[in-house]
Amino acid sequence: GAVVSQHPSRVICKSGTSVKIECRSLDFQATTMFWYRQFPKKSLMLMATSNEGSKATYEQGVEKDKFLINHASLTLSTLTVTSAHPEDSSFYICSARDTAHGQFLSNQPQHFGDGTRLSIL
Amino acid sequence: AQTVTQSQPEMSVQEAETVTLSCTYDTSENNYYLFWYKQPPSRQMILVIRQEAYKQQNATENRFSVNFQKAAKSFSLKISDSQLGDTAMYFCAFRYTDKLIFGTGTRLQVFP
Repeated sequence: GAVVSQHPSRVICKSGTSVKIECRSLDFQATTMFWYRQFPKKSLMLMATSNEGSKATYEQGVEKDKFLINHASLTLSTLTVTSAHPEDSSFYICSARDTAHGQFLSNQPQHFGDGTRLSIL
Repeated sequence: AQTVTQSQPEMSVQEAETVTLSCTYDTSENNYYLFWYKQPPSRQMILVIRQEAYKQQNATENRFSVNFQKAAKSFSLKISDSQLGDTAMYFCAFRYTDKLIFGTGTRLQVFP
């Protein structure tokens, strides 16, 4: 089955550090990937849609300069949390869908990475 | 705008029993997809079951089945013969274009 690898699984760093999280589709191509943020005991909130070869589309209220997204290939999207502060501590999850089956209204589900727990001290 | 509502923050069930998790949604679209995802303590998101809105037949995956009522915009999940490994957060999700919209989740605890 389709596998999405997310790395690292856990990051602990000092305030002011920039942190990069990678999301890879291992056995399929994904022109679109998604980045979510999940607070403790809360639902997943979509942050942005990552588009291969073009700019990401950010949801309302998400700072694009704080959360930089790059989708340079069909199998890799990265999320960089720039100058991270304690309030950026959260669980970040990426997902991707096999675009070989078409973009819209396909019954192919999104496949999720295992998430990254980010802790800013 | 599409919204997904899960009105049960927490549910519990005894092992081997059956439990039903509720989900309602709001949309003006006719063709869309609905999903139930499971998130165990490991935080991995696992697809449990999916339903295409154009299909009248309710989806079934082993012990998991849905009751899809399109007119009522309801999409409940029934777990039969509950197992301890079913303990997790369960999220109902709606997809029209490429975006997934999640409900707030139901925490299910299965007791021995």
